[in-house]
Amino acid sequence: DIVMTQTPLSLSVTPGQPASISCKSSQSLLHSDGKTYLCWYVQKPGQSPQLLIYEVSSRFSGVPDRFSGSGSGTDFTLKISRVEAEDVGVYYCMQGVNLPLITFGQGTRLDIK
Amino acid sequence: QLHLVDSGGGVVQPGGSLRLSCAASGFTFSNYGMHWVRQAPGKGLEWVAYIRNDGTTKYYADSVKDRFTISRDNSKNTVYLQMNSLKADDTAVYYCAKVQVGSGGRYFDYWGQGTLVTVSS
Repeated sequence: DIVMTQTPLSLSVTPGQPASISCKSSQSLLHSDGKTYLCWYVQKPGQSPQLLIYEVSSRFSGVPDRFSGSGSGTDFTLKISRVEAEDVGVYYCMQGVNLPLITFGQGTRLDIK
Repeated sequence: QLHLVDSGGGVVQPGGSLRLSCAASGFTFSNYGMHWVRQAPGKGLEWVAYIRNDGTTKYYADSVKDRFTISRDNSKNTVYLQMNSLKADDTAVYYCAKVQVGSGGRYFDYWGQGTLVTVSS
């Protein structure tokens, strides 16, 4: 299975400041079809996970442009340019290149200082 | 508006069975593959199973293979997860999730609200 490793596992950010989460995979997430199947989800308190970013850097419908994704191969990053109070939650990266062996990172808990 | 409503969870003894349902609305259900993902209490996300839009292809995580069966009824816009020989480790919130168009089934865009399965004697 592809192992997804997120760092840090938690971070506390002052509103208006940036935040960054790293996700590293044990194998390349570049598929033979040319797409890289790396997504980011956020699970806000008491809610189901929500899709933020797919295929490394494409923002899902309705996701604010303060969220951005980058990376390639095995190294990926989610950045929030200016954290807001509503961004509190647990952020997960997920790989789908190895369907059916879809795997998630451990999650990164974001809270507000 | 797209909705996925998970149901069927509850408390079951080890070795018992349970069938989860996920009722879909607001999109053409028969065009999309569906997944089940679970989350043990206080833990992260674990992918469980996938079914193609026409039901011809199914995949399972090793942890549930030969015990769980995913199925769908496109006439009822519903996907199911039949869970047999349940173990304490299967205790989790179970979410259904819809495949994102163009993803080849490799990631999902919308999730249900989840249904809690507790395996305990």
